Amino acid sequence: EAGVVQSPRYKIIEKKQPVAFWCNPISGHNTLYWYLQNLGQGPELLIRYENEEAVDDSQLPKDRFSAERLKGVDSTLKIQPAELGDSAVYLCASSSLGAGGRDEQFFGPGTRLTVL
Amino acid sequence: RKEVEQDPGPFNVPEGATVAFNCTYSNSASQSFFWYRQDCRKEPKLLMSVYSSGNEDGRFTAQLNRASQYISLLIRDSKLSDSATYLCVVYPTGRRALTFGSGTRLQVQP
Repeated sequence: EAGVVQSPRYKIIEKKQPVAFWCNPISGHNTLYWYLQNLGQGPELLIRYENEEAVDDSQLPKDRFSAERLKGVDSTLKIQPAELGDSAVYLCASSSLGAGGRDEQFFGPGTRLTVL
Repeated sequence: RKEVEQDPGPFNVPEGATVAFNCTYSNSASQSFFWYRQDCRKEPKLLMSVYSSGNEDGRFTAQLNRASQYISLLIRDSKLSDSATYLCVVYPTGRRALTFGSGTRLQVQP
């Protein structure tokens, strides 16, 4: 079974440029997450989707970040304009909607963004 | 104060050693707890869940103390392949997203 797919794997851009990341979750997984991971830190949630609905975007900097999950499958995360401090790894994860809190989240390989 | 706190390490141990990592969390209403493993430049992967009664998976033992809001991971007979960053993870009540600690780096040396 294919895992979570992300592209691109690496992206280098100049500040003030736009950038977009794409994620294809594991087939059948209703829940999709975007996390940001800075060097030496654990991942931090940016946004969570249940199917096509963004149900938790409280940590998403909405002045420059946007996300969408059309048709409840693939998702894109966009930054416009990018700032130097946005350099990080952007991780996508997915899980199936299950009971309790023990449904396992599977992470993609991430997109490593460098803003110059 | 961070929601989940870990000693960043690194822990440098010889092969065969026993090593323990600790973690504290601030949200007393948290309902689920995990240890994830992250290899260098790779994505996090679930190592094991942590149950109130404590649980073991081969050389790995996890413990939870809800009263002290403390989680531990014990690795026995360390292997070179155990070298990685170990992330303490809490699943807060009412929010279906994981809260990660900053991770503890382990380097097992020959």
